[in-house]
Amino acid sequence: SVLTQPPSASGTPGQRVTISCSGSSSNIGNNFVYWYQQLPGTAPKLLIYRSNQRPSGVPDRFSGSKSGTSASLAISGLRSEHEADYFCAAWDDILSGPVFGGGTKLTVL
Amino acid sequence: QVQLQESGPGLVKPSQTLSLTCTVSGGSISSGSYSWSWIRQPAGKGLEWIGRIYTSGSSNYNPSLKSRVTISVDTSQNHFSLRLYSVTAADTAMYYCARSRELEPPEYWGRGTLVTVSS
Repeated sequence: SVLTQPPSASGTPGQRVTISCSGSSSNIGNNFVYWYQQLPGTAPKLLIYRSNQRPSGVPDRFSGSKSGTSASLAISGLRSEHEADYFCAAWDDILSGPVFGGGTKLTVL
Repeated sequence: QVQLQESGPGLVKPSQTLSLTCTVSGGSISSGSYSWSWIRQPAGKGLEWIGRIYTSGSSNYNPSLKSRVTISVDTSQNHFSLRLYSVTAADTAMYYCARSRELEPPEYWGRGTLVTVSS
């Protein structure tokens, strides 16, 4: 994948976890980052848009940040229902289209 | 809220054409300044943007697939479509349709539909 994410992450209930997403100057370095949650067999759900904005209905336990060519998604107050795949995306100026991370599988221990 | 639903054959023979349709509900495909995209994900691999179309008919494609792809839109039916020509086993993937704001990643996605290329 064009954007690099760790394949897995884990935490215990109540903990705060962060998932990283690394790119380059043509994507993350010059454009907004989006974050999605995907449960098996369902459509990806938008969690964060424009790097740090939450859509209506997404709780504030989800937060996003960006610095240079990297971005992070933080989930606080971890719950079992947060066990899912999370992936990042950004517009790429060279491709003239979106590029994506490979996804991070979050396990709640 | 906008919803997208992919439909089409789940099995396509090698060298034939893969055809999928994405039906949009919860709003008109013509309203707002959005692009409508197709994205795919082979099993165990990352997501790949295929291309996008605007309701004006203007379209853009991933250079890696451009020679084999056509995306079209039918505003009267509130749907848009993908045609991928001369498919091989490498085109076996989950195919998603999505809606985006101008020059940004998708906001809304369909659930995806699995297409297998096999004889």
